Amino acid sequence: KAGVTQTPRYLIKTRGQQVTLSCSPISGHRSVSWYQQTPGQGLQFLFEYFSETQRNKGNFPGRFSGRQFSNSRSEMNVSTLELGDSALYLCASSSGSYEQFFGPGTRLTVL
Amino acid sequence: GEDVEQSLFLSVREGDSSVINCTYTDSSSTYLYWYKQEPGAGLQLLTYIFSNMDMKQDQRLTVLLNKKDKHLSLRIADTQTGDSAIYFCAERKGSQGNLIFGKGTKLSVKP
Repeated sequence: KAGVTQTPRYLIKTRGQQVTLSCSPISGHRSVSWYQQTPGQGLQFLFEYFSETQRNKGNFPGRFSGRQFSNSRSEMNVSTLELGDSALYLCASSSGSYEQFFGPGTRLTVL
Repeated sequence: GEDVEQSLFLSVREGDSSVINCTYTDSSSTYLYWYKQEPGAGLQLLTYIFSNMDMKQDQRLTVLLNKKDKHLSLRIADTQTGDSAIYFCAERKGSQGNLIFGKGTKLSVKP
């Protein structure tokens, strides 16, 4: 089976812009979670989608949003980018069991 | 405390055993995980343990769990230079909760 794929792998944006990141889970997996990784805060949970519904949400401002499509692919959107949004954004896929498998991440740089 | 805690650095010689320690936060956490992250990459699931277990062995990896002290450890036998990476401990409540990560332990293996 192919693993979790994330596109794009690298992205450079300027403050105030918005960005959309994409995640394709492992085939058959219906749960997709998003995490933000920064040197200062470490790995923090953003949200989880299961069968197109947000099932769980972390403590991030409303500028961070997501959605999931009927084929389980998920997108994450960040509006009005700030310098502090520069991070590695990781997507994880799960079949609903205890295992979560991560993709390679999207490195976002905000200038 | 409220954070999953890990020591930041560990240095060992090739061929020695490495022991990475973690203290987690919630005694009701059901699943405990170890992930590995190499430079520029996502997170690789190494192993996990259920909270009703004391120990789990998987080839060179041994996980020990002390529920009373909320302490988790990962032992890597015969450590190789390819084991150099950052190792993250994570806890999860139930099969649908999000992962809560420690800040990671950077393992350096010297030849």
